[in-house]
Amino acid sequence: QVQLQQSGPGLVTPSQTLSLTCVISGDSVSSNSAAWNWIRQSPSRGLEWLGRTYYRSKWYNDYAVSVKSRITINPDTSKNQFSLQLNSVNPEDMAVYFCARGGTVTTNWFDAWGQGTLVTVSS
Amino acid sequence: DIQMTQSPSSLSASIGDRVTITCRASQSISSYVNWYQQKSGKAPKVLMYGASSLQSGVPSRFTGSGSGTDFTLTISSLQPEDFATYFCQQSYSIPYTFGQGTKLEIK
Repeated sequence: QVQLQQSGPGLVTPSQTLSLTCVISGDSVSSNSAAWNWIRQSPSRGLEWLGRTYYRSKWYNDYAVSVKSRITINPDTSKNQFSLQLNSVNPEDMAVYFCARGGTVTTNWFDAWGQGTLVTVSS
Repeated sequence: DIQMTQSPSSLSASIGDRVTITCRASQSISSYVNWYQQKSGKAPKVLMYGASSLQSGVPSRFTGSGSGTDFTLTISSLQPEDFATYFCQQSYSIPYTFGQGTKLEIK
């Protein structure tokens, strides 16, 4: 059974970088069928998919246009985890952030989720 | 981006009731819709994938249907543990997008 465990600070200063990590157990970040996603949820924006990383003979990333200039999702094969970095945060980035496992074929769904991290943007 | 519009946004029902939640996509997405249940303070949990396939371990009182732009999630006989918020999500194309949610409350 796949489990995802998130870690990272819950408070980020405006204009600074939000950094979260998601440790995978029961699967591999280098899986040839899975994709590793970050999703956030806020009252104003609802559930918002931010991006993903996945391995298909080489590493790929996809990002939402809304954050594309500020986001990086990186795999770490040595620790079987992946991370989210979101630069230049502002109050609109306040949300609960989730990591989730999905796929890359059209029929795919998020079948495992991290516990969520509430991120507050404040000085 | 594909917009997913759910209705109703909230719904009051009683134990044993049959309820239906609707999701409409802004363009045709074949059957590439998933449904999630979220309880307060928890991550969403997938119930249905591919519009009508029941995720392993999910009770059979949940059914999904639809294709193209219109989709439904039906709960045949509400149980106490079903009171939660439900979301649809399209997997047809990136960026994956979600409906705004339907909060199911006890009448």
